[in-house]
Amino acid sequence: LAKTTQPISMDSYEGQEVNITCSHNNIATNDYITWYQQFPSQGPRFIIQGYKTKVTNEVASLFIPADRKSSTLSLPRVSLSDTAVYYCLVGDLHSNAGNMLTFGGGTRLMVKP
Amino acid sequence: NAGVTQTPKFQVLKTGQSMTLQCAQDMNHEYMSWYRQDPGMGLRLIHYSVGAGITDQGEVPNGYNVSRSTTEDFPLRLLSAAPSQTSVYFCASRARKGEKTYEQYFGPGTRLTVT
Repeated sequence: LAKTTQPISMDSYEGQEVNITCSHNNIATNDYITWYQQFPSQGPRFIIQGYKTKVTNEVASLFIPADRKSSTLSLPRVSLSDTAVYYCLVGDLHSNAGNMLTFGGGTRLMVKP
Repeated sequence: NAGVTQTPKFQVLKTGQSMTLQCAQDMNHEYMSWYRQDPGMGLRLIHYSVGAGITDQGEVPNGYNVSRSTTEDFPLRLLSAAPSQTSVYFCASRARKGEKTYEQYFGPGTRLTVT
């Protein structure tokens, strides 16, 4: 399973764009990159998933460079309600290993007024 | 759809007691899993199931048993509770193999304290 490395914490202010980068140097050919968000006392919530280049949805964008050794979750114009822990997961969705993806420590994002 | 439901929300056990944490999903998902989350930490996979009748161990399976007799239900049994099992337990499910998504749906969690 690909090991991921994320910053432990980040601070931002309301209205700013936040970029959280995840390093996954040993990503395999069939691995996908998935991001989750977790608020206190709640289960994680799926944000976005991608394989290469750029993926965008109504919540965030995911940028993946050509070598796929890292990825960046971009949250546009954050608000106080975006304060949460963000997890990056990498793995082959269609193999048994994909059933064993685990969450690391994540990145604690604090949005300040 | 109710999504993924878990009961109970809170539980206090004494060391050595056993109990079952219930998890159910109404999305006809094949995959279900159990995680534990200790304070300030990420989630760790305990057990998972790829379909009814099939279960497998995750990262931290010791002290826990699971069964999957139906697609909908995936109970987690603590055999003999220990203080080290004090944690928040999350159940999750996702769609069948072959779907191009790893979107897992998580339940609200069960907060377990073992004294």
